[in-house]
Amino acid sequence: GQQLNQSPQSMFIQEGEDVSMNCTSSSIFNTWLWYKQDPGEGPVLLIALYKAGELTSNGRLTAQFGITRKDSFLNISASIPSDVGIYFCAGQLLGGADGLTFGKGTHLIIQP
Amino acid sequence: KAGVTQTPRYLIKTRGQQVTLSCSPISGHRSVSWYQQTPGQGLQFLFEYFSETQRNKGNFPGRFSGRQFSNSRSEMNVSTLELGDSALYLCASSFNGPYTNTEAFFGQGTRLTVV
Repeated sequence: GQQLNQSPQSMFIQEGEDVSMNCTSSSIFNTWLWYKQDPGEGPVLLIALYKAGELTSNGRLTAQFGITRKDSFLNISASIPSDVGIYFCAGQLLGGADGLTFGKGTHLIIQP
Repeated sequence: KAGVTQTPRYLIKTRGQQVTLSCSPISGHRSVSWYQQTPGQGLQFLFEYFSETQRNKGNFPGRFSGRQFSNSRSEMNVSTLELGDSALYLCASSFNGPYTNTEAFFGQGTRLTVV
């Protein structure tokens, strides 16, 4: 099946720092979604991207759909304690025959 | 507007048994997808139902099956449970499904433990 390479696997940062994570693939996706998952809960949709080159913000979060349609990044500015969690990228292949393909996640840990 | 509701939240079953999980999508959403989440494999697509028909299927054995009712509620069944089926099973609801650009919203999941 298709694979999404998400990095970094984990991040240890100080409160107030900016965060950047990304996903890459050898396949072309027509949709990129970014989710956050807290322990024991389902993923919560943060940002959805539908066009190559699209840059979308949601509060302190900014995500971009890569021009090649094979990558996407998520930035979090001025991190706060409630940003702690696991962030997943998910891509939808053209035609959507395989459902969403998820990255392995980036575990964000914020040190006081 | 209510979100995606999955029941039960937790289940403990014995090897060889079968289990049924339920998902109620967001009102108006017609597509329901199921995913398995494990620490080792991450989130993996099981299948998608749209208007009571299975439209897409992931790479899982036939022991995993599902159905969708006319009110869009969906159930997932796993027969002859194996230890490796222990996972968080997540249901995602979307308006039209993956063939159009629509977001997928997840429920809280059902944590299945097979002993």
